[in-house]
Amino acid sequence: GNSVTQMEGPVTLSEEAFLTINCTYTATGYPSLFWYVQYPGEGLQLLLKATKADDKGSNKGFEATYRKETTSFHLEKGSVQVSDSAVYFCALSFLSSSGGGNKLTFGTGTQLKVEL
Amino acid sequence: KAGVTQTPRYLIKTRGQQVTLSCSPISGHRSVSWYQQTPGQGLQFLFEYFSETQRNKGNFPGRFSGRQFSNSRSEMNVSTLELGDSALYLCASAGEVNTEAFFGQGTRLTVV
Repeated sequence: GNSVTQMEGPVTLSEEAFLTINCTYTATGYPSLFWYVQYPGEGLQLLLKATKADDKGSNKGFEATYRKETTSFHLEKGSVQVSDSAVYFCALSFLSSSGGGNKLTFGTGTQLKVEL
Repeated sequence: KAGVTQTPRYLIKTRGQQVTLSCSPISGHRSVSWYQQTPGQGLQFLFEYFSETQRNKGNFPGRFSGRQFSNSRSEMNVSTLELGDSALYLCASAGEVNTEAFFGQGTRLTVV
């Protein structure tokens, strides 16, 4: 079956440090890949996505590149802020021919704490 | 454009009772999915509805059921509640062109 593996947390960084959260996947075929972020007491917000190999998703300073050869989609940010403290989830899904295509398989989540 | 709305935000139920959760998707979205989030199991897919038909189903017992109405609003029902059903239940909607799922804030269910 499909699965997503993320690095264990929590990850604690100082403000302005470089962030990497590793994500690898196992899937039959070529899924779309996503990063979602969850702030305390909230639902999930889509951070970025990539739908095919070598695509780079980016948003709010975060980036991730779809690497088919290593089945990875690592999340990076050059300079984190305290406001980036949250839980980050890597996920995959397959497009449905009838549209929508919504069965997301999530990793376990990585908690990020950014301190001053 | 209004986001995904889930009601209620919080619920406390007694073991053995049943509960119904509601989700109103983004206007124009026809796909609604439900997820259960717990500290131990993480985020697990329950089911997806598209145009009133269940299109995908996760590995949950039959006590978990859902439906979707003609206006795309969806409800999820859990019967004979168990303590282990305590979780954050998240609903997500998606349109036909984009495949991104947009999530609501969730319903926090506590079973006592």
